[in-house]
Amino acid sequence: ETGVTQTPRHLVMGMTNKKSLKCEQHLGHNAMYWYKQSAKKPLELMFVYNFKEQTENNSVPSRFSPECPNSSHLFLHLHTLQPEDSALYLCASSQVGLAGVETQYFGPGTRLLVL
Amino acid sequence: GESVGLHLPTLSVQEGDNSIINCAYSNSASDYFIWYKQESGKGPQFIIDIRSNMDKRQGQRVTVLLNKTVKHLSLQIAATQPGDSAVYFCAENEGFQKLVFGTGTRLLVSP
Repeated sequence: ETGVTQTPRHLVMGMTNKKSLKCEQHLGHNAMYWYKQSAKKPLELMFVYNFKEQTENNSVPSRFSPECPNSSHLFLHLHTLQPEDSALYLCASSQVGLAGVETQYFGPGTRLLVL
Repeated sequence: GESVGLHLPTLSVQEGDNSIINCAYSNSASDYFIWYKQESGKGPQFIIDIRSNMDKRQGQRVTVLLNKTVKHLSLQIAATQPGDSAVYFCAENEGFQKLVFGTGTRLLVSP
């Protein structure tokens, strides 16, 4: 266990559905991340939150909407997704210091299938 | 863990052998590198890291080597075990909170 949990672990949704992914970190970190992992591609950074504030939106379509109510919880709200959005969605957290160099710890991911 | 699909480079070794997994990185300004292991159905798990002011770092059964001249990183696993079977990713820190991941190498360990 890395101290980062994600629910649900698997999700099947239609293109008109609305669903949310949840991530919780128990490490006392101050930064959280959403990544997308799909076949034949490296991990893609989607969003970064520092101290609950979004500091990075890596050109992600608006059908993905993140929310970070506090430094321990992160959500990814999904709306009108496309089949090509099917992937493993990974949450990570880290403790960001002045140097900005830190290790990110990942959750187990949510396997999403969009039909 | 079945992350990067059909075209993932694969390294097959026998149990007890030493494994070497290689990674080429792109940004000569990257100052921090991490190796992750991803088993099927799990997220990437931190293995070992190295900063750019070092050439070598050792952990338990693992060693990371950094060659900045040719922008090459390697992970050596001693006495490879079946439990080491996974996909291994290198990641480089290209800037503040900006980890860039490689596509990964699948390690298969046969008993």
